[in-house]
Amino acid sequence: ILNVEQSPQSLHVQEGDSTNFTCSFPSSNFYALHWYRWETAKSPEALFVMTLNGDEKKKGRISATLNTKEGYSYLYIKGSQPEDSATYLCALQNAGGTSYGKLTFGQGTILTVHP
Amino acid sequence: KAGVTQTPRYLIKTRGQQVTLSCSPISGHRSVSWYQQTPGQGLQFLFEYFSETQRNKGNFPGRFSGRQFSNSRSEMNVSTLELGDSALYLCASSLAGADFGGFGANVLTFGAGSRLTVL
Repeated sequence: ILNVEQSPQSLHVQEGDSTNFTCSFPSSNFYALHWYRWETAKSPEALFVMTLNGDEKKKGRISATLNTKEGYSYLYIKGSQPEDSATYLCALQNAGGTSYGKLTFGQGTILTVHP
Repeated sequence: KAGVTQTPRYLIKTRGQQVTLSCSPISGHRSVSWYQQTPGQGLQFLFEYFSETQRNKGNFPGRFSGRQFSNSRSEMNVSTLELGDSALYLCASSLAGADFGGFGANVLTFGAGSRLTVL
């Protein structure tokens, strides 16, 4: 059974704070690591997909890094805004075989940004 | 460009009934996958279809089934509903590396979901 772990489970920050979350995953048979943002009453939305060890991606105030050797990814939000409040999900895509088309999701980190 | 469309959005069924959910993917996306979300659980993979073939199936009982049509639209069916089947069912479509024969990092575009309540 593949375990994708996210921490913390939830986070409350003040507007303007910078924050980060962690996604840990088994590093064997790795293909790609995805990050999604899921706002209340909306659909999950893709933020990043990373495939290479050392990958860094950035989208506005949000960035992510990947370490496939040790099996973790960090998501950073700089200067959090109330509109960043959402559940942030990471998902592991393994290589080939019985893993085609399947993402294994973590439980998510619920971020609440207070004005 | 139209997004992923799921119907119905909400439905209420009773135990023992069966239900069919529909998903229309983004035009050009050949992969459709289904996920279940229940309180306290993350998104659980149900199955994935690519070019009308089920490529992968999650750890769900045989009461959960699906199919994909030639236009890439997909349906999932749950027979003999149980209370525990109450959940949000999300469909997602992906190019699934369409340029690479169906492999590659398949970034998912999700629909709004079908919320099923079983009484």
